[in-house]
Amino acid sequence: DTGVSQDPRHKITKRGQNVTFRCDPISEHNRLYWYRQTLGQGPEFLTYFQNEAQLEKSRLLSDRFSAERPKGSFSTLEIQRTEQGDSAMYLCASSPNRGYPWEQYFGPGTRLTVT
Amino acid sequence: AQSVTQLDSQVPVFEEAPVELRCNYSSSVSVYLFWYVQYPNQGLQLLLKYLSGSTLVKGINGFEAEFNKSQTSFHLRKPSVHISDTAEYFCAVNTGFQKLVFGTGTRLLVSP
Repeated sequence: DTGVSQDPRHKITKRGQNVTFRCDPISEHNRLYWYRQTLGQGPEFLTYFQNEAQLEKSRLLSDRFSAERPKGSFSTLEIQRTEQGDSAMYLCASSPNRGYPWEQYFGPGTRLTVT
Repeated sequence: AQSVTQLDSQVPVFEEAPVELRCNYSSSVSVYLFWYVQYPNQGLQLLLKYLSGSTLVKGINGFEAEFNKSQTSFHLRKPSVHISDTAEYFCAVNTGFQKLVFGTGTRLLVSP
């Protein structure tokens, strides 16, 4: 059990550029979540997958944001035409199908800075 | 909808002193409650959880929390803190296995 991993850990981009983040959940966890955390705030829910199906999206997830989990394993979060307000820590979490599905295990996050 | 209130944004405490971090929640249905810890530039680590049963739950690193349904609280306690406990602590709630709703966090500052 290697835990949830995220790549990259840090990303600096210029306003208007597109960025993509990757999350690899704990193996055999079929639920995957994306959260965004801005400075001084708690994480805010963005979206949730069960296997490859995206079951819930927050209104925070504007048209510029898209998330995928094509094979029910890793997930990507893409932000198009980045804005300075997108600067935040993007956290991924996963939870199991059996046992304790309520427990979410978080990765180290990807810190995005938009200049 | 659920919400979580952490009234204390920062709690300073001396090493080996006891500490309590407060958390109140709002929900119209039964909830699952969690405390997470976040060290600088890291993700969140689960400290403890309340799912059902005993209202006093014990977690890692000597932390414990008590679920109080009548006061809709889930305060986190440790009888004796260490310098290494300095971190941000988040209380969170969910009603199933969907999204977690987090509070704004409490920064615990432990000084010698």
